[in-house]
Amino acid sequence: DIVMTQSPDSLAVSLGERATINCKSSQSLLYDSNNKDYLGWYQQKPGQPPKLLFYWASTRESGVPDRFSGSGSGTDFTLSISNLQAEDVAVYYCQEYYSLSHNFGGGTKVEIK
Amino acid sequence: EVQLVESGGDLVQPGGSLRLSCAVSGFSFSNYWMSWVRQDPGKGLEWVANINQDGRKKNYVDSVKGRFTISRDNAKNSLYLQMNSLRVEDTAVYFCARAMRDSPYSIFDYWGQGALVTVSS
Repeated sequence: DIVMTQSPDSLAVSLGERATINCKSSQSLLYDSNNKDYLGWYQQKPGQPPKLLFYWASTRESGVPDRFSGSGSGTDFTLSISNLQAEDVAVYYCQEYYSLSHNFGGGTKVEIK
Repeated sequence: EVQLVESGGDLVQPGGSLRLSCAVSGFSFSNYWMSWVRQDPGKGLEWVANINQDGRKKNYVDSVKGRFTISRDNAKNSLYLQMNSLRVEDTAVYFCARAMRDSPYSIFDYWGQGALVTVSS
């Protein structure tokens, strides 16, 4: 089974600063036949379902502010939030869809310092 | 507007059964793979099962195989999860989610608000 490990578990960032979240998979999520990484990112606020932010590791979902960016390939991925806003307080999850198990990372809680 | 609305969550005793429903609107339901994903209270997310457009292809996480059954009724724009032999560890909020791709290997672009299933004596 593919294990998804996120770090840190939580971080506190000042308004206007950058937050960086890491996600590491136990095996490569890069599918050779289409050269795409089967990795997505979600944002979840309290009492709400996850909201899709990125797919194919770096393709931003429609409506997601461009202060959010996704990067990485293979086994190492990053979600960055520049110019952090109060409404960005949430838990962020990575998810692989390379396998049928669709494994999620454990989540990273982003708070305001 | 795409909407997914779960129902059927409840408190049930260990060994009991429950059927969740997910009513969808705002898109052509019969064109999409659909999934159930659960979340332990205060904890992480776990994919449970998915089903293809005509209901003939189904996949399950190992921990629910033989106990849970995913199904759909395209005429009613509805997705279901029949849960039998429930265990305490099945306690979670259950979300229905739409697959973005025409594939069992897909990210989920729309989610319902979730239905709480509590398994306890």
